[in-house]
Formats: sequence, structure tokens, C-alpha cells
Amino acid sequence: AQKITQTQPGMFVQEKEAVTLDCTYDTSDQSYGLFWYKQPSSGEMIFLIYQGSYDEQNATEGRYSLNFQKARKSANLVISASQLGDSAMYFCAMREGRSNYQLIWGAGTKLIIKP
Amino acid sequence: NAGVMQNPRHLVRRRGQEARLRCSPMKGHSHVYWYRQLPEEGLKFMVYLQKENIIDESGMPKERFSAEFPKEGPSILRIQQVVRGDSAAYFCATSRGREGLNTEAFFGQGTRLTVV
Repeated sequence: AQKITQTQPGMFVQEKEAVTLDCTYDTSDQSYGLFWYKQPSSGEMIFLIYQGSYDEQNATEGRYSLNFQKARKSANLVISASQLGDSAMYFCAMREGRSNYQLIWGAGTKLIIKP
Repeated sequence: NAGVMQNPRHLVRRRGQEARLRCSPMKGHSHVYWYRQLPEEGLKFMVYLQKENIIDESGMPKERFSAEFPKEGPSILRIQQVVRGDSAAYFCATSRGREGLNTEAFFGQGTRLTVV
């Protein structure tokens, strides 16, 4: 079974619209962390946002927010007011409680922002 | 994150040659994690090292791959007798201590290995 599932291989969004990138996860651990990364065409892996399993508030970082629904095991990334520079691959990753360094990654979503 | 430096950014090797990938941690970081990204996929864990010690190499192929993190200098990921299937992007991340990749996890810019 997939530990991290990103169901949207690709998305097109109009500039300035909000966009939600889906991520569902599967773990039996009580303690875990969820990460989102952006990988532009230049290839580097850019950390965006983190949500811990015990965090009660949804994480926010500027235009990024994480819609954390623990019961549904989903951790969707919301980008508000999208910009052309947001075009990139986006990866969801999970750290499970028993390992604090092995991140498990989804296959990614390719986001293209249209002008 | 600019603090984790990987070089070279791009590396081309012929089949059978050796590839050496370097990762210099952020200042004050003594723990290094290597990941591999095959085309169209997410990253896969390879190995976790502290200075002079391999802590977990469960994700590393048994043959031809090795990693080290000497007392001085960068961490090195070494691939001997490269094959086409080794073509991938190799990323490292670093941390200060055993907290690992916790609230933030910064990666280097990666090394893109192409085997021709």
C-alpha cells in the first residue's frame, strides 16, 4: 500500500486563483510529520511547510497553508493567490514516528499556472 | 537551502566509470542523509551518516554504492561501475543532531547524474 498518495499528476490553474494540492497518507504511528516541497524546473528541492501530527492548528507559511484533516489522513497544500512562479512539481512527504530521518515521498503533482 | 552545498550540480559518466558526489552540510550540522530521485518519482532514502559513522544504510543498494562522512570534509556518495539505471538526481539533507529531519528539513540543490 502506498504510504503517501498524491492523486493529481498534473494541474492547470489560472493565475491569482487559489489552488489545492491533495495528499493522503497512511500510517499507524501516533507521532508523525508531514512536509510539502516545491521542485521547480531547475531541480532543487525547496521546503515549504511542515505539520506535526500533534499540532492542533493548521500550519501556515505566507501564501501556503496546510489543510490537515487527521481523521481523514489528509494533508492538502493550499496556495492562495497563485503566481506564475508557483509553476513546479510539488511533493508531499511523511516522517513516521519510528524514524526521524526517513522521509517517505509521494509521486508529486505538476502544477502549471496559466497567465 | 543555500546552506547545504552539493557538487557537482551535474555529472556525466560513461557506463563502468565511478561517480563521486559531495555534500557539505550547513554550518553546525553533523548528520547527513542521502536520497535518490529517479525520473518522475519522489525521493527515496538511501543512507544516514554522522561524522565517521554510518547509522542506517538500509536504502542503499548492496553493490557498487558506498557513502562516507569523514571527520574533515564533505560527505561523499560513491557509485562504482555506474550503469544507466543509476541516472537520477541525488539529494542530501543535513541536521544539527539526532532530531533528524524534524520541523524543517533542508536539502541541497542535488546532483544530477547522467550515465551515457
